[in-house]
Amino acid sequence: DQQVKQNSPSLSVQEGRISILNCDYTNSMFDYFLWYKKYPAEGPTFLISISSIKDKNEDGRFTVFLNKSAKHLSLHIVPSQPGDSAVYFCAASDRNDYKLSFGAGTTVTVRA
Amino acid sequence: ETGVTQSPTHLIKTRGQQVTLRCSSQSGHNTVSWYQQALGQGPQFIFQYYREEENGRGNFPPRFSGLQFPNYSSELNVNALELDDSALYLCASSLDREETQYFGPGTRLLVL
Repeated sequence: DQQVKQNSPSLSVQEGRISILNCDYTNSMFDYFLWYKKYPAEGPTFLISISSIKDKNEDGRFTVFLNKSAKHLSLHIVPSQPGDSAVYFCAASDRNDYKLSFGAGTTVTVRA
Repeated sequence: ETGVTQSPTHLIKTRGQQVTLRCSSQSGHNTVSWYQQALGQGPQFIFQYYREEENGRGNFPPRFSGLQFPNYSSELNVNALELDDSALYLCASSLDREETQYFGPGTRLLVL
């Protein structure tokens, strides 16, 4: 039962433009959301997170938006850089459970 | 500050064998979670250890077992290996079961 879904397996964007990655979830008990970035042969690296009491969180070039009513979150990367080419995973947590539930990932390719 | 480390990096086993994977948590972290990532999928939660006690378990059979030591390092043991156990095994650490978890580079297991 896939509770976190990333429906776009890949995204190609030109350097300097905005990358928008989307994530949907089904479990209404999720109250904390994270984005991880993964390069080949490395473990996922934490990027940014957001609590369900907020609808936006920014950290440098990365902004995460949360729409609780739609059970949807998105990650915006502005401007996109070649080093951003990686697989991005959306993850969610229920405070009573502590485990992370992950989406299948979106592969981002930033073109020069 | 030392990050999460895992050993070995790669491992080849045959069906029916047993394997032990090891993880050292990030300095100061007392919580370790294990995940299995099959090709093309997001990480799936196996179990979590907090202060040497199992703190939650995902949908994995009992032949997946674990241990956490007083220094908060951890082991994942898999008995009676099956071909479908071939995957990347990720260890993540956090402080006091916080939602933000920090991942190691993973151990790539191939079962033949």
